[in-house]
Amino acid sequence: EVVLTQSPATLSVSPGEGATLTCRASQNVYDYLAWYQRRPGQSPRLLIYGASKRATGIPARFSASGSGTDFTLTITNLEAEDFAVYYCQQRYSWPTITFGQGTRLEIK
Amino acid sequence: QVQLVESGGGVVQPGGSLRLSCVISGFSLDDVGIHWVRQAAGKGLEWVAYRDDDGTSIFYGDSVKGRFSVSTDNSKTTLYLQMSSLRSDDTAVYHCAKDAALDWNGYLDSWGQGTLVIVSS
Repeated sequence: EVVLTQSPATLSVSPGEGATLTCRASQNVYDYLAWYQRRPGQSPRLLIYGASKRATGIPARFSASGSGTDFTLTITNLEAEDFAVYYCQQRYSWPTITFGQGTRLEIK
Repeated sequence: QVQLVESGGGVVQPGGSLRLSCVISGFSLDDVGIHWVRQAAGKGLEWVAYRDDDGTSIFYGDSVKGRFSVSTDNSKTTLYLQMSSLRSDDTAVYHCAKDAALDWNGYLDSWGQGTLVIVSS
């Protein structure tokens, strides 16, 4: 099974600043990686797929990069609505998919 | 507007069975695949199962294989997750989610709010 390890577990950042979240895969997943945002009380929202492609309607302040085993999600100019839990997910091992444990982005 | 609404959760004893429903609107089950994903309290997201657009391929996660099964109703507006031989570690919120059908299958772009299953004596 492909294990995704996200770091840090919690990240405290002030509004207006930027944040960088990391996801590391236990084996090469090429660019078959997605990022999701989960706001409190809401379902996950697809932000990024294919490691770096923004999903429909996702603001440009969300960007992502990486391939192989190391991936990052970068959020610039943090807004109040961005404080949430972020998950990475791989589909390289399709039809099985796995998620990371999540990074909680909280207001500092 | 794409919507997925789960129902059918509740409290069930270990070894028991439960059937969850996922009612979809705004798209057709014939067009895209649907996933079931669960999340236990304090844990991460765990993929449970996937049914493809024509129902010819259904896949299950190792932890539920042989115990859970996916089906649809004749109108193709409701997806079911039949769960049997339930264990305490099946306790979770269960979501159905639509496959985004982007470059590749396996990305999930619309999720239901989830239904809570508690396995306890």
